[in-house]
Amino acid sequence: EDKVVQSPLSLVVHEGDTVTLNCSYEVTNFRSLLWYKQEKKAPTFLFMLTSSGIEKKSGRLSSILDKKELSSILNITATQTGDSAIYLCAVLGETSYDKVIFGPGTSLSVIP
Amino acid sequence: EAGVTQSPTHLIKTRGQQATLRCSPISGHTSVYWYQQALGLGLQFLLWYDEGEERNRGNFPPRFSGRQFPNYSSELNVNALELEDSALYLCASSSRTGPEGPQHFGDGTRLSIL
Repeated sequence: EDKVVQSPLSLVVHEGDTVTLNCSYEVTNFRSLLWYKQEKKAPTFLFMLTSSGIEKKSGRLSSILDKKELSSILNITATQTGDSAIYLCAVLGETSYDKVIFGPGTSLSVIP
Repeated sequence: EAGVTQSPTHLIKTRGQQATLRCSPISGHTSVYWYQQALGLGLQFLLWYDEGEERNRGNFPPRFSGRQFPNYSSELNVNALELEDSALYLCASSSRTGPEGPQHFGDGTRLSIL
């Protein structure tokens, strides 16, 4: 059965720290991996990683896809209180565009 | 550009009742997706509509159904509500056919079953 696992499930850090969030997956015919940030309600898109684009960076956030290890990491450097959120990893598998599987999320709390 | 809008924000029902949730996608987006996010669980895929047709559904019973209108807005109906249906229901839209690529989410409808 296809699945997406994220670790840790919860993390508390101080402002200025660097954090690494992990996502591992088992899906049939992997197509892409997406990271979302969910603060209060609506998840907002961060990155999409595919076989042709295994590393993305935007400001203090960066993500790498390791297709060999079937995993991805999301790095946040110099964390700020505004980074506090749930970070969701989602993986698209199959060839018929019919399956998006979300992980349980990592709840990140950044304290001053 | 207006984002994905969902209504109502909150909905309180009792067991056995029926609930209708609504979603308006971003202008120009033809695909609409529905997800259930129960407390402590990840997003569970419910339904995917594109160009007015149901393209796929997740592992949910038939009492979860929906439709997409000609203007691409969508409705999710849940019949014979059960306590475990209490969750945040999120709608997302995308400009590409199929869930590949970024989806834009609405703020969700919080459904509470008493």
